[in-house]
This record gives sequence, structure tokens and C-alpha cells, in this order.
Amino acid sequence: EAGVTQSPTHLIKTRGQQVTLRCSPISGHTSVYWYQQALGLGLQFLLWYDEGEERNRGNFPPRFSGRQFPNYSSELNVNALELEDSALYLCASSLQGEKLFFGSGTQLSVL
Amino acid sequence: QQQVKQSPQSLIVQKGGISIINCAYENTAFDYFPWYQQFPGKGPALLIAIRPDVSEKKEGRFTISFNKSAKQFSLHIMDSQPGDSATYFCAASRGILTGGGNKLTFGTGTQLKVEL
Repeated sequence: EAGVTQSPTHLIKTRGQQVTLRCSPISGHTSVYWYQQALGLGLQFLLWYDEGEERNRGNFPPRFSGRQFPNYSSELNVNALELEDSALYLCASSLQGEKLFFGSGTQLSVL
Repeated sequence: QQQVKQSPQSLIVQKGGISIINCAYENTAFDYFPWYQQFPGKGPALLIAIRPDVSEKKEGRFTISFNKSAKQFSLHIMDSQPGDSATYFCAASRGILTGGGNKLTFGTGTQLKVEL
């Protein structure tokens, strides 16, 4: 069974640009979570989608947004990139439960 | 109130020794406490988790000890092996049982190195 897949694996952008990250959950999982892992910090909760709806968001500005598609895959969009957005962005999926299964992440570098 | 504080930041243990990582939380509404293991270039993977109605949970060489009154929980890795060298994160969440999802608040991580 395929795990959570994320694309791209690495991305380099410049300040002010926009970026879209993609996530495919484990088959059958309806919930997708996005986390930001900046260097030296723990994982910070960004967004939670379930059954196509945004259920919760963390303490991030509105330029961080996303959506979940009918097939439960998800996109994370970040507008007006800032240097401090450089981080590993992790997607996790779950099926109404405790276990979150994480992908390997997208490493975003903002120059 | 949402913080989870983790210590130490890094840890070096000899092969066969016991690795101990500690976490403390503030929010008494947390009802789920997992530990995640992360290898370089990979996403975190769930190692073991506990609910506050038990004081200890053991799975193989990994044990969580939970002290509700002190709002602390710890991970013990017995007979530590070089393959255990990774970054370990404690986390906490609330509301899983009430449909609130699993929005985890993570500690800042502990880099464990197990030496031969």
C-alpha cells in the first residue's frame, strides 16, 4: 500500500512569488493535515482538511491556504513568499483517528 | 497554553543503554500523547502513543511513562541501538474522541545518537 506522497520534493522560489505544494493521502484516508517544520523548530500545525472541508487552521497568516479535492488529495498554497517561509512542509493523512501518517515532505527554500 | 516543552535538545547514549526524553505540557485538555521518530529526509513516523487514563505503555523496547498530576510524559528506549539514532518528537492533542481531529502540538525535538 502506497504511503502519503508529496510533490515536489524540493522547490526554490524567490521572495514575493507564489507556490503550490501537493499531497496524496493514503488510499481510504479522508483527512489531510499540513505542518510546517522550520529549522530548529518543531512541527507547526498549518491546516486540517476532512471530507473536502477546512476544519481547522493554525496560527499562520491568510497567505497560507489550501484545499482538498473530491479524491481527498490536497494542495497547500503560499502567496507572497517571505524568507521565513523556508521550511520543510509535511502532509499527513488519517482515517478519523489517532494515527497520522506523514509524507516525506517538500523542502521549500525562499531566496 | 498550547505549548509542549521537550528536553534534552540532543542526547548521546552508548549502545545497550537507556535513552530518556522528557516532555511537559500545559493544557490539561490534551487527551492524546504520541511520540514520533524522524530520520533525515523522511517524515515523522508514529512510534508509540498514550492516553491520560494510563500511567505507562510499553511496546517492545519503547515505553511511555505518563504523570498526569505533573503534566509530564517521557519516552524510554531500552537497549538503545545505533539504528535508533534519529530525531524524536513528543506531541499532544485534544478532541480526537469528540471528532475534533488530531491537531498535534509538537515539542521541538530531541536528536538522539547511539554510539557503538
